[in-house]
Amino acid sequence: NAGVTQTPKFQVLKTGQSMTLQCAQDMNHEYMSWYRQDPGMGLRLIHYSVGAGITDQGEVPNGYNVSRSTTEDFPLRLLSAAPSQTSVYFCASSYKANTEAFFGQGTRLTVV
Amino acid sequence: GIQVEQSPPDLILQEGANSTLRCNFSDSVNNLQWFHQNPWGQLINLFYIPSGTKQNGRLSATTVATERYSLLYISSSQTTDSGVYFCASRASGGSYIPTFGRGTSLIVHP
Repeated sequence: NAGVTQTPKFQVLKTGQSMTLQCAQDMNHEYMSWYRQDPGMGLRLIHYSVGAGITDQGEVPNGYNVSRSTTEDFPLRLLSAAPSQTSVYFCASSYKANTEAFFGQGTRLTVV
Repeated sequence: GIQVEQSPPDLILQEGANSTLRCNFSDSVNNLQWFHQNPWGQLINLFYIPSGTKQNGRLSATTVATERYSLLYISSSQTTDSGVYFCASRASGGSYIPTFGRGTSLIVHP
């Protein structure tokens, strides 16, 4: 049982480049979400999805896009990377929005 | 959204000591979890505990929802307990946005 799988684990981007962070879960969870973790800030929610075809913004959505075409996958897109997006990104899933959440191993992104 | 405050922000222990970490939240909640982030950055689920008490080995947690706090107890601490402990909660009333505390950084010396 793989749980929540994030790829890549590390990435360096130049300012203005675009990329997609991948997240997949094999637990048939309805709720998936993306967080960023910055030093001293805890985790902050970027976007979330309560099911295939349904997404919504979290606390810090600017600069990021998401889509949810299948239950399993919830990719996060950076359209034009900025140094302020240097962070560690975590994907999480749970059976429902209000149940136990499980996290992927994180993606460390550096924008230069 | 709700406010989540964790205390203490930093904790240094000698191996074998016991400790209590606290999480206060500003409103009624129906979802509370404790996580351990190890030195490699991995987030590990410790407890899903919106109310009541749970125990798992040397760790236990208690949430008193009516008084808006949760406690994480670590007994006979080991160096592998080092890392950052986060609590996260979501307000009652259907909010989909959880709030994380800023964490307690724990260092356990041998």
